[in-house]
Amino acid sequence: DVVMTQSPLSLPVTLGQPASISCRSSQSLVHSDGGTYLNWFQQRPGQSPRRLIYEVSNRDSGVPDRFGGSGSGTDFTLKISRVEAEDLGIYFCMQGTHWPYTFGQGTKLEIK
Amino acid sequence: QVQLVQSGAEVKQPGASVKVSCRASGYTFTDYRIDWVRQAPGQRRVWLGWILPNSGEAYYVQPFQGRVTMTRDTSSNTAYMELSRLTSDDTAVYYCARDFMGSYAHWGQGTLLTVSP
Repeated sequence: DVVMTQSPLSLPVTLGQPASISCRSSQSLVHSDGGTYLNWFQQRPGQSPRRLIYEVSNRDSGVPDRFGGSGSGTDFTLKISRVEAEDLGIYFCMQGTHWPYTFGQGTKLEIK
Repeated sequence: QVQLVQSGAEVKQPGASVKVSCRASGYTFTDYRIDWVRQAPGQRRVWLGWILPNSGEAYYVQPFQGRVTMTRDTSSNTAYMELSRLTSDDTAVYYCARDFMGSYAHWGQGTLLTVSP
């Protein structure tokens, strides 16, 4: 199985400051069809996960443009340009290239 | 709008079985695969497998093979996940999610399963 490793697992941030989360996979996430199926999700307490980013860098409808995804191969990053209070929660990556789909451990974004 | 609504929380004894439902609305149920994912306390999320609502074909991840059964009822646009021979390690929140292109734009609200004597 592909192992997804996130860092950091805890990210204390100051409101208005940037934040960055890394997600690394144990093997390349480039699919034989050429796509790279790396996703980012946000999960607030008591809520279901919300997809933010799909295929590395495509932002979902309604997701603020302060969220951005980048990377390739085995190394991916989620960046928040200026953290707002509503951004607090757990962020996790998920790969959908290889079966079984696998997930990162999750990163808790919290106020410093 | 697309919605996946799951059944409510369950408390089961070790050795019992549980069946969780996931009712879809807002789209053609048979057009998209439904996956099941769980998250145990303090653990990362784990993929259990999937079902194709149009054919009923299902795929289960190896650790759960023999214990999990995924079915669907197209008349009610509902997918089901049944897990048997429960142990305390099965205590988790179980989610259904609609798969498309290796991603989940839509998730159910989650069903908490507690396995306790």
